[in-house]
Amino acid sequence: GESVGLHLPTLSVQEGDNSIINCAYSNSASDYFIWYKQESGKGPQFIIDIRSNMDKRQGQRVTVLLNKTVKHLSLQIAATQPGDSAVYFCAEIDVSGTSYGKLTFGQGTILTVHP
Amino acid sequence: DGGITQSPKYLFRKEGQNVTLSCEQNLNHDAMYWYRQDPGQGLRLIYYSQIVNDFQKGDIAEGYSVSREKKESFPLTVTSAQKNPTAFYLCASSIFQGITNTGELFFGEGSRLTVL
Repeated sequence: GESVGLHLPTLSVQEGDNSIINCAYSNSASDYFIWYKQESGKGPQFIIDIRSNMDKRQGQRVTVLLNKTVKHLSLQIAATQPGDSAVYFCAEIDVSGTSYGKLTFGQGTILTVHP
Repeated sequence: DGGITQSPKYLFRKEGQNVTLSCEQNLNHDAMYWYRQDPGQGLRLIYYSQIVNDFQKGDIAEGYSVSREKKESFPLTVTSAQKNPTAFYLCASSIFQGITNTGELFFGEGSRLTVL
């Protein structure tokens, strides 16, 4: 079946640096993507989303970029802080047939921010 | 405050026993989901329900069962047929917006099941 995957399983950065987390997806029918942050022992929390009719969307310190040509999206975190240390997942919405409404998650990237 | 409550947070089970994980939401969301997460892995969908009294199998439904008798409740039973039940289980809900469900998922804090 279709899947969403991440290029980098781990990422270590220094506090204050910018972080970029990448995600590849294979379902060209997906039209909505979400980035989630999961801290240890907790449920994932929504960070930012983007629809397929957009190339870029910005939030507070975060930016998501979508490249539909190569089926790639990325999450950029500006001025990374120790509190940003977590696992980051990208997810796509399956909007085809009777499976609509069901998210497919990627493997996740562990972001570690060093003070 | 509105949210999703999962219980218990930690659960230990002997082999051969069925266990039921509770998930309650007061967000008035139509859709609810159960995901399984293994160490170093992403989330895999077990079951989901878009409306009361209806639910659909996800990618790894074998050995699990659910019910959706009330809008706010979506309990998951891990049966003895599940060969490797030790995992972190996450319940989520979202507003179901019809064919294109672009609603954000809201997650509970998870339930960690360990089989002894």
